[in-house]
Amino acid sequence: GAGVSQSPSNKVTEKGKDVELRCDPISGHTALYWYRQSLGQGLEFLIYFQGNSAPDKSGLPSDRFSAERTGGSVSTLTIQRTQQEDSAVYLCASREGLAGMDTQYFGPGTRLTVL
Amino acid sequence: ELKVEQNPLFLSMQEGKNYTIYCNYSTTSDRLYWYRQDPGKSLESLFVLLSNGAVKQEGRLMASLDTKARLSTLHITAAVHDLSATYFCAVESGYALNFGKGTSLLVTP
Repeated sequence: GAGVSQSPSNKVTEKGKDVELRCDPISGHTALYWYRQSLGQGLEFLIYFQGNSAPDKSGLPSDRFSAERTGGSVSTLTIQRTQQEDSAVYLCASREGLAGMDTQYFGPGTRLTVL
Repeated sequence: ELKVEQNPLFLSMQEGKNYTIYCNYSTTSDRLYWYRQDPGKSLESLFVLLSNGAVKQEGRLMASLDTKARLSTLHITAAVHDLSATYFCAVESGYALNFGKGTSLLVTP
């Protein structure tokens, strides 16, 4: 079946602008994650959604970052007033459940460049 | 804070040779993952290791987990060029993954 999809694949924006990144998880997966990957910081966890529970926002680097997940499916990561240090690849992952042999399946990522 | 350390970070090896990548982590966890990333691509799941002593093999790659030593290894047997990629280990903490910095592997003729 279809994997995790993300859009846009690339986004170039000017410092101070807001951006929205979208993630479509694998159908039926209840857990959804956002990570970012940058040269300096490696792969960092940002936020986690599980079903209808309150999200785990412990990885968000500042209050300029927020995310929502509508209807338990599609998720949007919003970065307000972007800064150059926000430049990174933003990866979304989904997972079927919390236990057993399942793993997190990653999307292709959105490469964000803040000028 | 959970720390995950991989070594080596860079590895150049000849085709046909064997080598091991090490992944150490700082706090107790029973779930460890290995991923592969090709340049410009996303992460591809290789192995999920869920218990002490777990061993998984796929082709020329074999992963193991020692939870008491907080150590996982990824062993490469008779390397081929197609294995050139960056390999990440990740340890689960509170359902999120904590990644090592990755090992960039280059297999040369």
